Amino acid sequence: DAMVIQNPRYQVTQFGKPVTLSCSQTLNHNVMYWYQQKSSQAPKLLFHYYDKDFNNEADTPDNFQSRRPNTSFCFLDIRSPGLGDAAMYLCATESAGTSGRGQFFGPGTRLTVL
Amino acid sequence: AQRVTQPEKLLSVFKGAPAELKCNYSYSGSPELFWYVQYSRQRLQLLLRHISRESIKGFTADLNKGETSFHLKKPFAQEEDSAMYYCALSGRGTSYGKLTFGQGTILTVHP
Repeated sequence: DAMVIQNPRYQVTQFGKPVTLSCSQTLNHNVMYWYQQKSSQAPKLLFHYYDKDFNNEADTPDNFQSRRPNTSFCFLDIRSPGLGDAAMYLCATESAGTSGRGQFFGPGTRLTVL
Repeated sequence: AQRVTQPEKLLSVFKGAPAELKCNYSYSGSPELFWYVQYSRQRLQLLLRHISRESIKGFTADLNKGETSFHLKKPFAQEEDSAMYYCALSGRGTSYGKLTFGQGTILTVHP
């Protein structure tokens, strides 16, 4: 009955080798978020989708891209991972119009860059 | 700019003792405040939100606009409350809210 699913849970990639992380949801929420969480730090928002509208945070590096082919799925693409991109990546969803109800998080994908 | 500060990285209390996790924020306007919790090996999940003024698992949090605080309190902490707690802020004005998180406080409740 998982509502926000992230695959894979653990991803190992090589320096500079593109990698894609995926997120799917069964909640039919129209907003999906991607956060980066480095060790011992707070989650930091990278970008979000409101339906098909993509919203990038000002300080998100160009190396990070995202795709949302439909309501249920959202992907995070890292074009050329560096050692500093090793982190936990969290996907979250929210139903717009229900302000104050909070976001639902997936379990995260831990990315290791060798 | 919006900011959330959790001054304590670690908080240790004994079972049955009160626990208070501090959260201060800065935001030019009326924010929405949340507490999220992450138990060991589990996903981040919403604990409570100020807008609903609810008590969840014995925890309460009151928004103090004068002190710009949203401290989380539990009068009698239990071992199962041991977890990482994040205070988070979302600006109003849209129908959904991007979250700014504090650094988190690890609560350990000793038997």
